[in-house]
Amino acid sequence: GAGVSQSPSNKVTEKGKDVELRCDPISGHTALYWYRQSLGQGLEFLIYFQGNSAPDKSGLPSDRFSAERTGGSVSTLTIQRTQQEDSAVYLCASSPDSNEQFFGPGTRLTVL
Amino acid sequence: AQSVTQPDIHITVSEGASLELRCNYSYGATPYLFWYVQSPGQGLQLLLKYFSGDTLVQGIKGFEAEFKRSQSSFNLRKPSVHWSDAAEYFCAVGGAGGSYIPTFGRGTSLIVHP
Repeated sequence: GAGVSQSPSNKVTEKGKDVELRCDPISGHTALYWYRQSLGQGLEFLIYFQGNSAPDKSGLPSDRFSAERTGGSVSTLTIQRTQQEDSAVYLCASSPDSNEQFFGPGTRLTVL
Repeated sequence: AQSVTQPDIHITVSEGASLELRCNYSYGATPYLFWYVQSPGQGLQLLLKYFSGDTLVQGIKGFEAEFKRSQSSFNLRKPSVHWSDAAEYFCAVGGAGGSYIPTFGRGTSLIVHP
């Protein structure tokens, strides 16, 4: 079946612009995670959605970052007023049970 | 707080040689442990996981890992490495289902020489 998809695969933007990154999880998966992966670094947790519960936003680095998940499915990560340090690969993962995660291919964001 | 340490940033092996990637964790209860692999330009793929039971777990692509509670370790092994195994490997630790946010190590880059 279809895996986790993310769009766009690459995004180049200018400093100060807003960007939206999309994640389509595997159908039926109740949990959804966003991570940031900077060059040569591990995965930095950003936000976690589980069913209809309030999301865990404890990993968001600043108030410029926000995310929503509509209808318990598609999720959008928004970064406002992008900065050069926001350049990274943004990974989305979904899970049927908040244990094993299934990752998308990521969106590579470059802020000029 | 939970944490994961992967002490080796890079490991280089010859094709056909054996491999062991180290992972040490810190967790207050019985951990759930995972190994993921990331090929260049790809997302992460689960290799294997440990929740309970037999401490030696088998995964895909010929990988295995052993949970050693006394050493807080979950090392990944493969008896004979193939060139296609060159990738980034991440160890992760988490807890039971419900509100669950795993912690990932910084990764180990595996280089395979022909």
